[in-house]
Amino acid sequence: SQTIHQWPATLVQPVGSPLSLECTVEGTSNPNLYWYRQAAGRGLQLLFYSIGIDQISSEVPQNLSASRPQDRQFILSSKKLLLSDSGFYLCAWSVTVLPGTGYSDTQYFGPGTRLTVL
Amino acid sequence: AQSVTQPDIHITVSEGASLELRCNYSYGATPYLFWYVQSPGQGLQLLLKYFSGDTLVQGIKGFEAEFKRSQSSFNLRKPSVHWSDAAEYFCAVGALSNTGNQFYFGTGTSLTVIP
Repeated sequence: SQTIHQWPATLVQPVGSPLSLECTVEGTSNPNLYWYRQAAGRGLQLLFYSIGIDQISSEVPQNLSASRPQDRQFILSSKKLLLSDSGFYLCAWSVTVLPGTGYSDTQYFGPGTRLTVL
Repeated sequence: AQSVTQPDIHITVSEGASLELRCNYSYGATPYLFWYVQSPGQGLQLLLKYFSGDTLVQGIKGFEAEFKRSQSSFNLRKPSVHWSDAAEYFCAVGALSNTGNQFYFGTGTSLTVIP
């Protein structure tokens, strides 16, 4: 069966410090990978998605970046954190079910990382 | 543009009462629809999904949802709510776009269950 891991679970960082959040998926190959942010009391904001290694799309201009060094590893980074980067970060995966379309099936979410920037 | 609306930000029901959470979507073609649940501090768990076929879909934890194309709705229901159902519920639509596939989430409905 497939599993998705995120770490760390909780992180407190000062403003201006760097960030690295990691997400890994087990039990599947060539997954589509996603990073979402969930601000307090709000819905999900898609930050990045990737349909393959070195194929990453950014949805929202920000001081965050994403990388996919391996097929099942997705990393969210920042060189200098802002207060507004605080939130709950969720990683998700899916698999493409319509060949040639890029359309993917259900998204499955990791446990999330709570980031507080002080 | 595709969008998902959950008109109820917060709902309170008594334990044992029935529940209906509303979801409306905007999409030009037949959508792929999902309901997720999120407990505090946790990730999202899939409750159910609709791709095609029977418009009434059954999910986990006794939940069901009905796709109504004429109303562009995908409301979530449960006949008898349990205290453990208190959580945040998200409706989502999967859609094709110029940049590949996209998932659009509603802003969520927070459910409180009172004894």
